[in-house]
Amino acid sequence: GENVEQHPSTLSVQEGDSAVIKCTYSDSASNYFPWYKQELGKRPQLIIDIRSNVGEKKDQRIAVTLNKTAKHFSLHITETQPEDSAVYFCASFTSGTYKYIFGTGTRLKVLA
Amino acid sequence: NAGVMQNPRHLVRRRGQEARLRCSPMKGHSHVYWYRQLPEEGLKFMVYLQKENIIDESGMPKERFSAEFPKEGPSILRIQQVVRGDSAAYFCASSTAGATDTQYFGPGTRLTVL
Repeated sequence: GENVEQHPSTLSVQEGDSAVIKCTYSDSASNYFPWYKQELGKRPQLIIDIRSNVGEKKDQRIAVTLNKTAKHFSLHITETQPEDSAVYFCASFTSGTYKYIFGTGTRLKVLA
Repeated sequence: NAGVMQNPRHLVRRRGQEARLRCSPMKGHSHVYWYRQLPEEGLKFMVYLQKENIIDESGMPKERFSAEFPKEGPSILRIQQVVRGDSAAYFCASSTAGATDTQYFGPGTRLTVL
């Protein structure tokens, strides 16, 4: 079946450094790619998303890039802060099936 | 503008009892998704519903689990004869009817089976 692979599963960075999380999807019909941040005991919250007609999107310290040919998309967080520590999930969405497929998550730790 | 609502937030059941989880989507949202999350794990898709229709239940166990989204009222995820392995956080999410509309999550229901 369709799936989304996410790497790495854990990531530790020093405060102020950058963090990159990568996802690969299998369904070439996928056309929407959101990223969610989940803090311990809380709901996943949307932090940024990208649609298939765009290659890159940026929102302050967060950016997402999409390579449709390679079926890769990545989350970039610059100038990391301790409050960025959380689990991050990527997802792919395919219109027509309305199906979201989530990656397995990346636990990011920002060390002060 | 209230977000996605779920209740109860915490539910404790003994083995063999029934668990009933409710989800009220955001206003204007007609698509509801249910996910299960075990501790330290990812989100596992269970079922996708629109009003009065189950669209995709491929992630839901065939036995003991059922879901509905009636014309009026919240979506319900029902687990009959719960077992300890059903202990998890259950999240619902809602979206509008657009082709790429964003999915917003509720706060989750944490089910504990004793």
